[in-house]
Amino acid sequence: QSALTQPASVSGSPGRSITISCTGTSSDVGTYNLVSWYQQHPGKAPKLMIYEGSKRPSGVSNRFSGSKSGNTASLTISGLQAEDEADYYCCSFANSGTLLFGGGTKLIVL
Amino acid sequence: EVQLVESGGGLVQPGGSLRVSCVGSGITVSSNYMSWVRQAPGKGLEWVSVIYSGGSTYYADSVKGRFTISRDNSKNTLYLQMNSLRAEDTAVYYCARARHDYGVIHAFDIWGQGTMVTVSS
Repeated sequence: QSALTQPASVSGSPGRSITISCTGTSSDVGTYNLVSWYQQHPGKAPKLMIYEGSKRPSGVSNRFSGSKSGNTASLTISGLQAEDEADYYCCSFANSGTLLFGGGTKLIVL
Repeated sequence: EVQLVESGGGLVQPGGSLRVSCVGSGITVSSNYMSWVRQAPGKGLEWVSVIYSGGSTYYADSVKGRFTISRDNSKNTLYLQMNSLRAEDTAVYYCARARHDYGVIHAFDIWGQGTMVTVSS
């Protein structure tokens, strides 16, 4: 059970777009189009932002979008805002009924 | 309002045991797939365990054989019994509802606020 691979940090200026990648294997991301993404502000519980690879829960801004290619899933945030600065985690269902999180990416809004 | 509230965290010595709880309001724990996710200080999220509505349970390799997930339907409460605790089990423990289709989990959509467990002598 190895964690999914995410960049440690990404940065972008307000109004611009950024993309966070999440790389797994054919046993998790590559097989199941079930990657979810979570936003976590310091001292707070995680918040679901994307599920089933590209679907947004009610109330989540359409500036957040998800996609997948092969064993890599991606989260794109467009029109960056100061409040988007947070840690972001991907998660995937894996074979044998377990789940894997990525190591997390710190988004810095310049 | 749908809410999950954890409790039971605290300081425990290495090798000791602790049980953390998660009470649901506005949500029926037994009808849902419920999971525990932990976060060590300054570290990322780590999935720990899940219990399906049918009662099946799964665990991360790091806790298998030491932790047990269970629920009390009459109290609408989820539990995590943690035995043989190690320093590396120190973390905030979150309970979360898992959305699923046909036994395949695709997201955690409702989270509690977490309870801190510290394993130290």
